Amino acid sequence: GENVEQHPSTLSVQEGDSAVIKCTYSDSASNYFPWYKQELGKRPQLIIDIRSNVGEKKDQRIAVTLNKTAKHFSLHITETQPEDSAVYFCAAFNSGGGADGLTFGKGTHLIIQP
Amino acid sequence: DSGVTQTPKHLITATGQRVTLRCSPRSGDLSVYWYQQSLDQGLQFLIQYYNGEERAKGNILERFSAQQFPDLHSELNLSSLELGDSALYFCASSPHRTSGQETQYFGPGTRLLVL
Repeated sequence: GENVEQHPSTLSVQEGDSAVIKCTYSDSASNYFPWYKQELGKRPQLIIDIRSNVGEKKDQRIAVTLNKTAKHFSLHITETQPEDSAVYFCAAFNSGGGADGLTFGKGTHLIIQP
Repeated sequence: DSGVTQTPKHLITATGQRVTLRCSPRSGDLSVYWYQQSLDQGLQFLIQYYNGEERAKGNILERFSAQQFPDLHSELNLSSLELGDSALYFCASSPHRTSGQETQYFGPGTRLLVL
């Protein structure tokens, strides 16, 4: 089955700086890669996603890049703000007939220092 | 608010007992997924239903079962509960699992505590 590795497990950045979280996946059949933000005790909230026919996607301060050949994808947050503090999860999914749900990374605890 | 609802929010029960968790998907979504989140295992996929039929199975124990009803709500049944079953249980829904319709939106979760 699919395996997703995520790093770092904890990331502390100064407010206003950029943050980058990286993930690798193992199954070349995976073609959909969402990112979720989760605050303590709350539901995972979708912040951005990318499909394998696209190399990069941006939404305001958030961007995701995908390298299919290397099987890795990254989340970039620019001009970080205190409300960006949370745990971020990457995930991989095969929408072309796979038999799994989302396979998640272990999460990155992002801390924004004032 | 994702549009996915789950009940109850919290559940406290004893070892050996059986509980039922309920999920209502977003309006129009036919696919429901169940996930378990624990500190040691992270977020793990349990099972998926699409329009009433089981479509995918993950790391779901034999003590656990699920179903999806004609009105598309789903229930996750956990029996012979053990201390290690204490976790957050999320359901998520999507229109389908095909490309362009696979985005999953999560409900608020049910926190299960087994004593």
